[in-house]
Amino acid sequence: DTGVSQDPRHKITKRGQNVTFRCDPISEHNRLYWYRQTLGQGPEFLTYFQNEAQLEKSRLLSDRFSAERPKGSFSTLEIQRTEQGDSAMYLCASARATSGANVLTFGAGSRLTVL
Amino acid sequence: QQQVKQSPQSLIVQKGGISIINCAYENTAFDYFPWYQQFPGKGPALLIAIRPDVSEKKEGRFTISFNKSAKQFSLHIMDSQPGDSATYFCAPWALHGSSNTGKLIFGQGTTLQVKP
Repeated sequence: DTGVSQDPRHKITKRGQNVTFRCDPISEHNRLYWYRQTLGQGPEFLTYFQNEAQLEKSRLLSDRFSAERPKGSFSTLEIQRTEQGDSAMYLCASARATSGANVLTFGAGSRLTVL
Repeated sequence: QQQVKQSPQSLIVQKGGISIINCAYENTAFDYFPWYQQFPGKGPALLIAIRPDVSEKKEGRFTISFNKSAKQFSLHIMDSQPGDSATYFCAPWALHGSSNTGKLIFGQGTTLQVKP
Protein backbone atom coordinates (compact mmCIF):
# COMPACT_ATOMS: atom_id res chain seq x y z
CA ASP A 1 0.00 0.00 0.00
CA THR A 2 1.56 3.27 -1.10
CA GLY A 3 -0.55 5.67 0.92
CA VAL A 4 -3.54 7.84 0.11
CA SER A 5 -4.13 8.29 -3.61
CA GLN A 6 -6.06 11.14 -5.17
CA ASP A 7 -7.21 11.56 -8.73
CA PRO A 8 -6.98 13.72 -10.74
CA ARG A 9 -4.02 15.69 -9.42
CA HIS A 10 -5.02 18.74 -11.42
CA LYS A 11 -8.35 19.79 -12.88
CA ILE A 12 -9.08 22.93 -14.86
CA THR A 13 -12.72 23.61 -15.55
CA LYS A 14 -15.00 26.39 -16.61
CA ARG A 15 -17.38 28.03 -14.21
CA GLY A 16 -20.67 26.18 -14.05
CA GLN A 17 -19.25 22.76 -14.85
CA ASN A 18 -19.35 19.79 -12.50
CA VAL A 19 -16.19 18.13 -11.26
CA THR A 20 -15.55 14.95 -9.31
CA PHE A 21 -12.50 13.96 -7.29
CA ARG A 22 -11.65 10.48 -6.15
CA CYS A 23 -9.74 9.39 -3.06
CA ASP A 24 -8.40 5.92 -2.33
CA PRO A 25 -7.41 5.66 1.35
CA ILE A 26 -4.89 3.36 2.98
CA SER A 27 -6.57 -0.03 2.87
CA GLU A 28 -6.78 -0.71 6.62
CA HIS A 29 -8.03 2.81 7.42
CA ASN A 30 -11.79 3.05 7.85
CA ARG A 31 -11.98 6.80 8.40
CA LEU A 32 -11.71 9.16 5.46
CA TYR A 33 -11.55 12.94 5.52
CA TRP A 34 -11.87 15.72 2.98
CA TYR A 35 -10.23 19.10 3.50
CA ARG A 36 -9.91 22.15 1.29
CA GLN A 37 -6.77 24.29 1.19
CA THR A 38 -6.48 27.67 -0.51
CA LEU A 39 -3.18 29.33 -1.27
CA GLY A 40 -1.36 30.46 1.84
CA GLN A 41 -3.92 29.00 4.22
CA GLY A 42 -4.23 25.94 6.36
CA PRO A 43 -6.50 23.08 5.33
CA GLU A 44 -10.18 23.58 6.22
CA PHE A 45 -12.28 20.60 7.24
CA LEU A 46 -15.10 19.67 4.88
CA THR A 47 -16.41 16.26 5.90
CA TYR A 48 -15.47 12.82 7.15
CA PHE A 49 -16.65 9.24 6.95
CA GLN A 50 -16.33 6.22 9.13
CA ASN A 51 -16.73 3.30 6.78
CA GLU A 52 -19.62 4.36 4.54
CA ALA A 53 -21.30 6.63 7.11
CA GLN A 54 -20.79 10.37 6.75
CA LEU A 55 -20.38 11.47 10.37
CA GLU A 56 -19.84 15.20 10.08
CA LYS A 57 -20.16 17.93 7.47
CA SER A 58 -18.78 21.43 7.72
CA ARG A 59 -20.93 24.45 7.05
CA LEU A 60 -18.38 25.15 4.32
CA LEU A 61 -19.86 22.23 2.42
CA SER A 62 -22.63 23.97 0.50
CA ASP A 63 -25.42 22.20 -1.34
CA ARG A 64 -23.25 22.15 -4.44
CA PHE A 65 -20.81 19.82 -2.72
CA SER A 66 -21.52 16.16 -2.14
CA ALA A 67 -19.25 13.44 -0.85
CA GLU A 68 -19.84 9.74 -0.89
CA ARG A 69 -18.11 6.60 0.26
CA PRO A 70 -20.49 3.94 -0.96
CA LYS A 71 -18.64 0.78 0.01
CA GLY A 72 -16.51 2.14 2.79
CA SER A 73 -13.42 2.10 0.61
CA PHE A 74 -12.79 4.89 -1.92
CA SER A 75 -14.59 8.22 -1.73
CA THR A 76 -15.71 10.80 -4.23
CA LEU A 77 -16.19 14.53 -3.78
CA GLU A 78 -18.39 16.17 -6.38
CA ILE A 79 -18.76 19.89 -6.89
CA GLN A 80 -21.70 20.95 -9.01
CA ARG A 81 -21.96 24.26 -10.87
CA THR A 82 -18.43 25.24 -9.98
CA GLU A 83 -17.63 28.82 -9.04
CA GLN A 84 -14.31 30.64 -9.14
CA GLY A 85 -14.26 30.59 -5.36
CA ASP A 86 -14.09 26.81 -5.49
CA SER A 87 -10.54 27.02 -6.82
CA ALA A 88 -8.41 25.29 -4.21
CA MET A 89 -6.50 22.16 -3.35
CA TYR A 90 -8.82 19.38 -2.19
CA LEU A 91 -7.04 17.09 0.24
CA CYS A 92 -8.10 13.64 1.27
CA ALA A 93 -6.82 11.92 4.39
CA SER A 94 -7.43 8.59 6.05
CA ALA A 95 -7.04 7.26 9.57
CA ARG A 96 -7.70 4.21 11.67
CA ALA A 97 -10.79 4.10 13.84
CA THR A 98 -8.95 2.68 16.82
CA SER A 99 -5.43 3.35 18.01
CA GLY A 100 -3.95 6.27 16.12
CA ALA A 101 -7.40 7.53 15.18
CA ASN A 102 -6.20 11.11 15.46
CA VAL A 103 -3.26 10.60 13.11
CA LEU A 104 -4.30 11.52 9.60
CA THR A 105 -2.36 10.46 6.52
CA PHE A 106 -2.92 12.89 3.69
CA GLY A 107 -2.80 12.41 -0.02
CA ALA A 108 -1.04 14.86 -2.31
CA GLY A 109 -4.32 16.56 -3.16
CA SER A 110 -6.37 17.44 -6.21
CA ARG A 111 -5.89 20.99 -7.39
CA LEU A 112 -8.96 22.61 -8.90
CA THR A 113 -8.82 25.73 -11.05
CA VAL A 114 -12.13 27.24 -12.08
CA LEU A 115 -11.89 29.69 -14.97
CA GLN B 1 -10.61 28.31 11.89
CA GLN B 2 -10.37 31.21 14.34
CA GLN B 3 -10.09 28.59 17.05
CA VAL B 4 -6.40 28.21 16.23
CA LYS B 5 -3.96 31.08 15.72
CA GLN B 6 -0.44 30.41 14.56
CA SER B 7 2.56 32.74 14.50
CA PRO B 8 4.70 33.89 12.85
CA GLN B 9 3.29 33.68 9.34
CA SER B 10 6.79 33.31 7.93
CA LEU B 11 10.23 32.70 9.35
CA ILE B 12 13.75 32.85 7.96
CA VAL B 13 16.49 31.12 9.91
CA GLN B 14 20.15 30.48 9.22
CA LYS B 15 21.35 26.90 8.97
CA GLY B 16 22.10 25.61 12.44
CA GLY B 17 19.77 28.07 14.11
CA ILE B 18 16.64 27.45 16.16
CA SER B 19 13.20 27.83 14.58
CA ILE B 20 10.27 28.52 16.90
CA ILE B 21 6.63 28.48 15.83
CA ASN B 22 3.76 29.20 18.18
CA CYS B 23 0.15 28.15 18.28
CA ALA B 24 -2.65 29.49 20.46
CA TYR B 25 -6.03 27.81 20.68
CA GLU B 26 -9.42 28.62 22.15
CA ASN B 27 -11.24 25.30 22.30
CA THR B 28 -10.59 23.53 25.59
CA ALA B 29 -12.04 20.34 24.12
CA PHE B 30 -8.92 19.81 22.04
CA ASP B 31 -7.16 16.74 23.38
CA TYR B 32 -4.24 16.06 21.05
CA PHE B 33 -1.79 18.60 19.72
CA PRO B 34 0.16 17.75 16.57
CA TRP B 35 2.33 19.68 14.19
CA TYR B 36 2.14 18.85 10.49
CA GLN B 37 4.78 19.61 7.88
CA GLN B 38 3.92 20.31 4.26
CA PHE B 39 6.27 20.53 1.30
CA PRO B 40 5.17 22.15 -1.98
CA GLY B 41 2.98 19.83 -4.03
CA LYS B 42 2.49 17.42 -1.13
CA GLY B 43 -0.13 16.90 1.49
CA PRO B 44 0.61 17.68 5.14
CA ALA B 45 2.41 14.96 7.09
CA LEU B 46 2.54 14.43 10.83
CA LEU B 47 5.80 15.69 12.29
CA ILE B 48 5.38 15.42 16.04
CA ALA B 49 2.50 15.48 18.51
CA ILE B 50 1.84 15.82 22.23
CA ARG B 51 -0.95 14.90 24.61
CA PRO B 52 -2.19 17.49 27.13
CA ASP B 53 -0.94 15.58 30.16
CA VAL B 54 2.66 16.18 29.05
CA SER B 55 4.44 19.55 28.99
CA GLU B 56 7.22 18.71 26.56
CA LYS B 57 8.06 16.08 23.98
CA LYS B 58 11.27 15.74 22.02
CA GLU B 59 11.92 13.70 18.89
CA GLY B 60 15.36 14.25 17.45
CA ARG B 61 15.74 17.92 16.54
CA PHE B 62 12.03 18.61 17.04
CA THR B 63 10.46 19.56 20.37
CA ILE B 64 6.91 20.47 21.33
CA SER B 65 6.32 22.59 24.40
CA PHE B 66 2.77 22.61 25.74
CA ASN B 67 1.23 25.11 28.16
CA LYS B 68 -2.28 23.97 29.00
CA SER B 69 -3.17 26.92 31.24
CA ALA B 70 -2.14 29.42 28.56
CA LYS B 71 -3.73 27.29 25.82
CA GLN B 72 -0.57 27.48 23.76
CA PHE B 73 1.89 25.05 22.26
CA SER B 74 5.00 25.59 20.25
CA LEU B 75 7.34 23.79 17.90
CA HIS B 76 11.08 24.16 18.28
CA ILE B 77 13.40 22.98 15.53
CA MET B 78 16.97 22.77 16.74
CA ASP B 79 19.97 22.90 14.37
CA SER B 80 17.64 23.90 11.52
CA GLN B 81 18.61 22.54 8.11
CA PRO B 82 17.74 23.67 4.57
CA GLY B 83 15.73 20.45 4.21
CA ASP B 84 13.45 21.73 6.98
CA SER B 85 12.26 24.49 4.66
CA ALA B 86 8.53 23.85 4.45
CA THR B 87 5.19 25.07 5.77
CA TYR B 88 4.32 24.02 9.30
CA PHE B 89 0.80 23.76 10.70
CA CYS B 90 -0.42 23.28 14.20
CA ALA B 91 -3.56 21.17 14.01
CA PRO B 92 -5.17 20.33 17.33
CA TRP B 93 -7.64 17.49 17.41
CA ALA B 94 -11.27 18.37 18.09
CA LEU B 95 -13.39 15.54 19.45
CA HIS B 96 -16.77 14.97 17.86
CA GLY B 97 -19.37 14.71 20.59
CA SER B 98 -18.81 11.93 23.06
CA SER B 99 -17.38 9.51 20.53
CA ASN B 100 -13.73 8.90 19.86
CA THR B 101 -14.09 10.43 16.42
CA GLY B 102 -13.02 13.91 15.55
CA LYS B 103 -11.07 16.10 13.17
CA LEU B 104 -7.96 18.24 12.95
CA ILE B 105 -8.37 22.02 13.07
CA PHE B 106 -5.46 23.60 11.23
CA GLY B 107 -3.75 26.89 11.94
CA GLN B 108 -2.95 29.28 9.12
CA GLY B 109 0.55 27.92 8.65
CA THR B 110 4.12 29.17 9.02
CA THR B 111 6.44 29.16 6.05
CA LEU B 112 9.95 28.36 7.20
CA GLN B 113 12.99 29.09 5.08
CA VAL B 114 16.35 27.85 6.32
CA LYS B 115 19.22 29.59 4.58
CA PRO B 116 22.40 27.59 3.94
